[in-house]
Amino acid sequence: GESVGLHLPTLSVQEGDNSIINCAYSNSASDYFIWYKQESGKGPQFIIDIRSNMDKRQGQRVTVLLNKTVKHLSLQIAATQPGDSAVYFCAETDSGGGADGLTFGKGTHLIIQP
Amino acid sequence: DAGVTQSPTHLIKTRGQHVTLRCSPISGHKSVSWYQQVLGQGPQFIFQYYEKEERGRGNFPDRFSARQFPNYSSELNVNALLLGDSALYLCASSRDPRSGNTIYFGEGSWLTVV
Repeated sequence: GESVGLHLPTLSVQEGDNSIINCAYSNSASDYFIWYKQESGKGPQFIIDIRSNMDKRQGQRVTVLLNKTVKHLSLQIAATQPGDSAVYFCAETDSGGGADGLTFGKGTHLIIQP
Repeated sequence: DAGVTQSPTHLIKTRGQHVTLRCSPISGHKSVSWYQQVLGQGPQFIFQYYEKEERGRGNFPDRFSARQFPNYSSELNVNALLLGDSALYLCASSRDPRSGNTIYFGEGSWLTVV
């Protein structure tokens, strides 16, 4: 599949501020998108997902926005906490039974400043 | 309920050897996928298995093989190890491979080839 890319490799935010992590994708056939959080030495942890028939989905302190027109995905984290420090990946797949698996971007390293 | 479990967590192999990595999916999940994550990059899709059949394969050489057992657990085998095979190998499971089914990852197996 085509690659999914991230705009910024590192994002530094103050504790308590909101964080916005962006992701661009190029495969127009992608219809399912997932955000993962990966802490050092651990596997990716599911945060939130969204299907292509939605524009927005909210979870606990997180919101994912999908703009299919410009093929852009974002993850918003409200009231960022020290425990949010990690690398965040967006991933996408299409409806082809998952045969191509998930395509990941390179990741954004979120750093929380005290 | 237990999440995706992988073994071993860490191992060191010599160039030219082979390695077998094991994965148990979340209870009720019938689809298992394998990913390779090189340091500093996002995971790369290797294989997907569903109902004991290979459903998808990424761009990896034939030295990589896998299988899924009747209890839905899976093994990833890598022959003739190269230094470049050093990576975190991740297993992921979902109920089925259709797009939209949440995909959960294990903590991975760290492979070092010397």
